Amino acid sequence: DVVMTQSPLSLPVTLGQPASISCRSSQGLVYSDGNIYLNWFQQRPGQSPRRLIYKVSNRDSGVPDRFSGSGSGTDFTLKISRVEAEDVGVYYCMQGTHLWTFGPGTKVEIK
Amino acid sequence: QVQLVESGGGVVQPGGSLRLSCGASGFTFSHYGMHWGRQAPGKGLEWVAFIRHDGSNKYYVDSVKGRFTISRDNSRNTLYLQMNNLRAEDTAMYYCGKDAIEGAFDVWGQGTMVTVSS
Repeated sequence: DVVMTQSPLSLPVTLGQPASISCRSSQGLVYSDGNIYLNWFQQRPGQSPRRLIYKVSNRDSGVPDRFSGSGSGTDFTLKISRVEAEDVGVYYCMQGTHLWTFGPGTKVEIK
Repeated sequence: QVQLVESGGGVVQPGGSLRLSCGASGFTFSHYGMHWGRQAPGKGLEWVAFIRHDGSNKYYVDSVKGRFTISRDNSRNTLYLQMNNLRAEDTAMYYCGKDAIEGAFDVWGQGTMVTVSS
């Protein structure tokens, strides 16, 4: 089974400053079709999750361009270029190459 | 717009059963695979089950194999999760999610709460 880890698990940030979340998989995530099915989700307090990024680096419709995803192999990163108040919540990475597995989540809060 | 609405949650005793439903609208339901995920109170997200667009293949997380069954009725645009022999550790908010060619869970429902307690 693929295990997803994230760091840090808690991320206090200053408004307007950048933030970065790391996600690591226990196995490589390249699928037989050549794609890497690594997604990022945001869950604001009291809300359902929302997908932000699919296939490592593609933003979903309506996602602000301050969110970006990158990575390869087993190491992936979600970056927020300038944190806004509405970005508070928990961020999860999820792999969809070997069935599906979520990471433990990273809680982003304002300092 | 694309919408998923879960129902069927509630309080059930250990060993009991419950069937969750997820009604879909705004897209051609029969063309897409569908997922169930869950989130225990104060905990992270967990993928639970997946069914292909035509019901031909189903996959489950190990902890629910043999107890949960995912199914769908494409004529009713509805996804189901039959949960039997429920345990306290199944207590969670259950979400349905739409699959897409570029990846899973591009759309989520609002969730339905399942509490397993005596």
